[in-house]
Amino acid sequence: DGGITQSPKYLFRKEGQNVTLSCEQNLNHDAMYWYRQDPGQGLRLIYYSQIVNDFQKGDIAEGYSVSREKKESFPLTVTSAQKNPTAFYLCASSISIGKHQFFGPGTRLTVL
Amino acid sequence: DAKTTQPNSMESNEEEPVHLPCNHSTISGTDYIHWYRQLPSQGPEYVIHGLTSNVNNRMASLAIAEDRKSSTLILHRATLRDAAVYYCILLNNNAGNMLTFGGGTRLMVKP
Repeated sequence: DGGITQSPKYLFRKEGQNVTLSCEQNLNHDAMYWYRQDPGQGLRLIYYSQIVNDFQKGDIAEGYSVSREKKESFPLTVTSAQKNPTAFYLCASSISIGKHQFFGPGTRLTVL
Repeated sequence: DAKTTQPNSMESNEEEPVHLPCNHSTISGTDYIHWYRQLPSQGPEYVIHGLTSNVNNRMASLAIAEDRKSSTLILHRATLRDAAVYYCILLNNNAGNMLTFGGGTRLMVKP
C-alpha cells in the first residue's frame, strides 16, 4: 500500500533532550512538510521541502531542524532550544509544492 | 494572504445533510478552495477542492458562490464517522503557497 508513515505514535522525552521524529513516504512525492498542532488549534507549518537536499523554514521553525537526504524520508529533530515541544506533530507529502497533501498519522510528543 | 472564516462548531443529526459554510471575501482569481477534515487524534485528510465550478466526489460536494467570496461543503448524509474538524483553505498554485490551517469547524453528529 502506498502511504505516509510516522513513528512512533507516542513519544516521551525528558526536558533538555533532543528527539528525532521519523517520516517516510512511498508515494514518490517530491514535497514533504512538518506541522505542529496544539490542543484545540489548527496546524502550523514548521519546515517544508520541495525536493531532495532542499528545505525551507515555515512559520515556527525555531528550535527545530530537518534533513532531506532521500526523497522518501524527512526526519524532524526537536532540539532542546524548542521552549514548548509537547505537541502533536504531523508530517505530510504532496506530488509537488502547492498540490493537495497526504498526511501521516502523527506523533504525539510529550516532554516531561 | 487570503483568509477564510468558518463557524467554530456545528451539529447535525445522523443521515441528514450537512452544509458547512466558509467565507473568503479576499480570495484572488487564482486561489483554489480546498477542504480537509481531521478525525480525532489523526492527521488531516483531503476532502475536495475547486476553483469556480461546483465539484462532486465520493466524499462530498463543494458549492462555490458565483462571486467566489464564499463556499459550502456538503455532506449528503452525515454518519457518525463524519464527526471531525473541517478546514476550509485557500491555495494559490501559481505561487506554490502552503496550506494554512485555521481553526476549522468542529462537526458533531448525533445518532
